[in-house]
Amino acid sequence: TQLLEQSPQFLSIQEGENLTVYCNSSSVFSSLQWYRQEPGEGPVLLVTVVTGGEVKKLKRLTFQFGDARKDSSLHITAAQPGDTGLYLCAGAKANNAGNMLTFGGGTRLMVKP
Amino acid sequence: KAGVTQTPRYLIKTRGQQVTLSCSPISGHRSVSWYQQTPGQGLQFLFEYFSETQRNKGNFPGRFSGRQFSNSRSEMNVSTLELGDSALYLCASSLELGVWETQYFGPGTRLLVL
Repeated sequence: TQLLEQSPQFLSIQEGENLTVYCNSSSVFSSLQWYRQEPGEGPVLLVTVVTGGEVKKLKRLTFQFGDARKDSSLHITAAQPGDTGLYLCAGAKANNAGNMLTFGGGTRLMVKP
Repeated sequence: KAGVTQTPRYLIKTRGQQVTLSCSPISGHRSVSWYQQTPGQGLQFLFEYFSETQRNKGNFPGRFSGRQFSNSRSEMNVSTLELGDSALYLCASSLELGVWETQYFGPGTRLLVL
């Protein structure tokens, strides 16, 4: 059982469309991170959100952290083929000593030209 | 600054063998974490080392072990390999402990157990 549930698992859209990926949990996290992973590579950090209700924008990507710090969303505007990849959310808890991250199952996005 | 490097990148072993994977963190980073990534289970935390001490451990059997050297380089070892150990093993490094620390991942070692 995943502590962090991501949805959808797969998403295939046309270039120019908008999309939202969700990351939900029954647990409270001190911070939540979003990564993108491309084939043959390790995950690359996109953003870290730490405050309940926080919204961060990174060009066409908008990240939200829920008020209760249990859920998060990633919204992509006008998706491009370069956005194709595996999107992972990961939560960290302050009561853990160190850097243990709990990852969601991932959302595999394909943007067709 | 060089990124996290992992060696080897690909490995094929047979059941019952053991394997050692290596990770060199970004220069100056003292925390090294290991993760296993499989299609079925996703990314799962194995263990984390900081200043040569294991600080966190995930829910994996004792066949999975690791260590960290004084130069922060880390190795993980899997003994008595099983088919289910086939996975991408990822190493991540960060400067210090802390839940807000950015973890930088290496490209991974893809292990296939036959």
